[in-house]
Order: sequence, then C-alpha cells, then structure tokens
Amino acid sequence: IAGITQAPTSQILAAGRRMTLRCTQDMRHNAMYWYRQDLGLGLRLIHYSNTAGTTGKGEVPDGYSVSRANTDDFPLTLASAVPSQTSVYFCASSETGATGGYTFGSGTRLTVV
Amino acid sequence: DQQVKQNSPSLSVQEGRISILNCDYTNSMFDYFLWYKKYPAEGPTFLISISSIKDKNEDGRFTVFLNKSAKHLSLHIVPSQPGDSAVYFCAASELFTGGGNKLTFGTGTQLKVEL
Repeated sequence: IAGITQAPTSQILAAGRRMTLRCTQDMRHNAMYWYRQDLGLGLRLIHYSNTAGTTGKGEVPDGYSVSRANTDDFPLTLASAVPSQTSVYFCASSETGATGGYTFGSGTRLTVV
Repeated sequence: DQQVKQNSPSLSVQEGRISILNCDYTNSMFDYFLWYKKYPAEGPTFLISISSIKDKNEDGRFTVFLNKSAKHLSLHIVPSQPGDSAVYFCAASELFTGGGNKLTFGTGTQLKVEL
C-alpha cells in the first residue's frame, strides 16, 4: 500500500538520550515534512525538505535535526531529548507546489522522561 | 502568533443534522485552504480544499465556504453521521521561498456526532 511509514510507533525515552524517528515514503513525492502535535497547539512544523539534498527550518526547529539523503527517507533526530519534546510526531509528504494537501504517516508517540 | 485559528475546541451535533466547523486566518498570502480529518492513533487525512479565488467547494456531504474579506472559512457536513466523529483541522497553504508549499494548521475541533 502506497504511503508513509513511520517507526517506531511509540517510544519512551530517557532525557538526554539521542533518538532518531524514521520516515519513509514510496510515492516519490519531492517534499517531506515533520510536524509535532500537542494538545491545544495543533500541528506545528519542525523541519521540511522541498527536494532531496535540501532541508529547511519550520516553526519549532530547536532541538531537532533532519537529513534528506534521498527522495524516500526523511529521518528526524533529537540529539539530546528533553521532556518538552514529549509529543506525537507526524511525517508527511507532498508533490512540490501541490495544493491538494499532504499525505501523513500514522505518527510516532514519544514520551521523554 | 496563531495565523490559523479554530476557536471551538469541540462541537456536538445529532446524527442527520448539519455540522459547521469554523476557521479564521490572518495571513493574506495564503493561497489555498484545506480541511483534514483525524481519528485517534492515525495521521490526519485530507478531506477537502478550496482555492483563495473561489468562495465555495462541494464534495458530497462536505462543503467548504471561504469569505476572503472576513478571512474566514467554514466546513459544512450534512447530514452528519457517527463516523464523522473525529478531530478536524483547518490548514492554510502558502508557497515557501524557493519552491514547495507550507501548511499552517489550526488547533483542531473535536466533532462528536451523537445518535
């Protein structure tokens, strides 16, 4: 089934540890995104990539990094996790310039303790 | 500063009645507006969109209305069904410098359709 695969589904992480959330898409979309969802705050953009080899910062990039080595993969890394990074993380993709919206993955629920 | 606002965190309607979800925005550069639906433990799924040059778009039971002068859009669901119970996110699109489009989301409205 075409779409976006995120892993892990959920994770409990000790503060200070490093963690990489994985995201893979098989739709050959140029653009990919990472959002976090928090109660009362909706979905906020962390980082994005318009095409392989390029990345950009969103609204809440601090404490996160991304890379886009190829079209399909867009991992999100927390170098040293803090409790405020407890959230649900969604990866999404779209055709560049498409106005039909994004395709989202099922999310990763991360708890930092 | 919240550029896309959904002021109603929740809405409850009876099955068969109309559901109206509202959204306000502040950025005049938004060129497309979208609604997403989200069930628990799933990612948001695209529902319907409207270009900033239109004032109405209809798809089956779902209609989106855009009032540019008021910077307001609404999603109408009629008739509402229990399966429509979900969180609905309003989103607005603008072009990134250098290509691609960025979606800015509202905080969501939890719709509950009661039997």
